[in-house]
Amino acid sequence: EIVLTQSPATLSLSPGERATLSCRASQSVSSYLAWYQQRPGQAPRLLIYDASNRATGIPARFSGSGSGTDFTLTISSLEPEDFAIYYCQQRSNWPLTFGGGTKVEIK
Amino acid sequence: QVQLVESGGGVVQPGRSLRLSCAASGFIFSSYGIHWVRQAPGKGLEWVAVVSYDGSDKYYADSVKGRFTISRDNSKNTLYLQMNSLRGEDTAVYYCAKERRWKLSDFDYWGPGTLVTVSS
Repeated sequence: EIVLTQSPATLSLSPGERATLSCRASQSVSSYLAWYQQRPGQAPRLLIYDASNRATGIPARFSGSGSGTDFTLTISSLEPEDFAIYYCQQRSNWPLTFGGGTKVEIK
Repeated sequence: QVQLVESGGGVVQPGRSLRLSCAASGFIFSSYGIHWVRQAPGKGLEWVAVVSYDGSDKYYADSVKGRFTISRDNSKNTLYLQMNSLRGEDTAVYYCAKERRWKLSDFDYWGPGTLVTVSS
């Protein structure tokens, strides 16, 4: 099973600041990595697929990069609605796995 | 617009069974595989199972293999998850999620989830 490790566990930032979230895979997943946002009480929402492609309707302030084992989600300037938990997910091998999440909280 | 709505959750005793449903609309249901993903209270996401667009291909997480069965009825645009021999660690919100592509996929649409609580 491919283990995804997200860091940091919590990121404390102010609106307008830049957020950089990391996801590291235990083995190469090529570019088959997605990022999701989950707000409290809501289902996850797909932000980025295949490492760097924004999903439909996702604002340009969200961007993804990386390949192999190291990936980054960047939020260029945090809006109030961006404070949430973010998960990465690999689709390189069965079983599909998720990272443990990074909580972006208001400082 | 794409909609997925789960139902069938509730409180069930350990060892008993429960069947979840997921009603789909807004897309050609019979053209896409659909997954179940769960989230224990206060925890992260765990992929559970997937069924192919025509029901012929199924994959399961090891944690549920042999106890859970995924199926679909394309005439009713509905996905199912039959859960047998339930355990406390199966307590979670269960989401159905549409694949973006077959078969190793990410998920472009999710339902709001249904809560399953396994407790005596």
